[in-house]
Amino acid sequence: AQKVTQAQTEISVVEKEDVTLDCVYETRDTTYYLFWYKQPPSGELVFLIRRNSFDEQNEISGRYSWNFQKSTSSFNFTITASQVVDSAVYFCALSEADNTSGTYKYIFGTGTRLKVLA
Amino acid sequence: DVKVTQSSRYLVKRTGEKVFLECVQDMDHENMFWYRQDPGLGLRLIYFSYDVKMKEKGDIPEGYSVSREKKERFSLILESASTNQTSMYLCASTPERGRYGYTFGSGTRLTVV
Repeated sequence: AQKVTQAQTEISVVEKEDVTLDCVYETRDTTYYLFWYKQPPSGELVFLIRRNSFDEQNEISGRYSWNFQKSTSSFNFTITASQVVDSAVYFCALSEADNTSGTYKYIFGTGTRLKVLA
Repeated sequence: DVKVTQSSRYLVKRTGEKVFLECVQDMDHENMFWYRQDPGLGLRLIYFSYDVKMKEKGDIPEGYSVSREKKERFSLILESASTNQTSMYLCASTPERGRYGYTFGSGTRLTVV
């Protein structure tokens, strides 16, 4: 069954610390997509990154980096030198083809609330 | 700057009222979605639409309906609002379901009293 687990409900760090948000997924498909979103206090979810299942290359974007490991079914997100503006709820999501309907089924994890303290 | 716009940021309605939540996107996206977000439950899909006048039920469609008369507009309707429909409602769109990230609106926090 398709599933996304974000075991960390809430994390608090002090500014400038590095922090890793975990995401573990379950899927039966060989073709799937993984995503991360950020939801700041204003409420609007913002798309951060997409990865397809054939691309295990890690990605870095400024202070953000993502580590995709198929062997452990994980797609973890690291913020380096965290800042107060990074405080938000972060969601991991998985999309896989639904062979019954012919469309994609998209499922979100329950989110990790990150608090960065000044 | 591409956008998904939800007409109301906050709404307070009475039990039994018919409630309309409006969502408009300016990106010419085929696919639009309505989610509700509740603490501890994450985002749950209510309905989605992959074309004008086409719709499909999501995971929790009971008590809701939708309308998509124009490509850019997707409306969520609470036929008879109940207190258990108090929630944050999020609209989203994407050019191709599943393969791309979604663009979300800023949400409507609905309180049913």
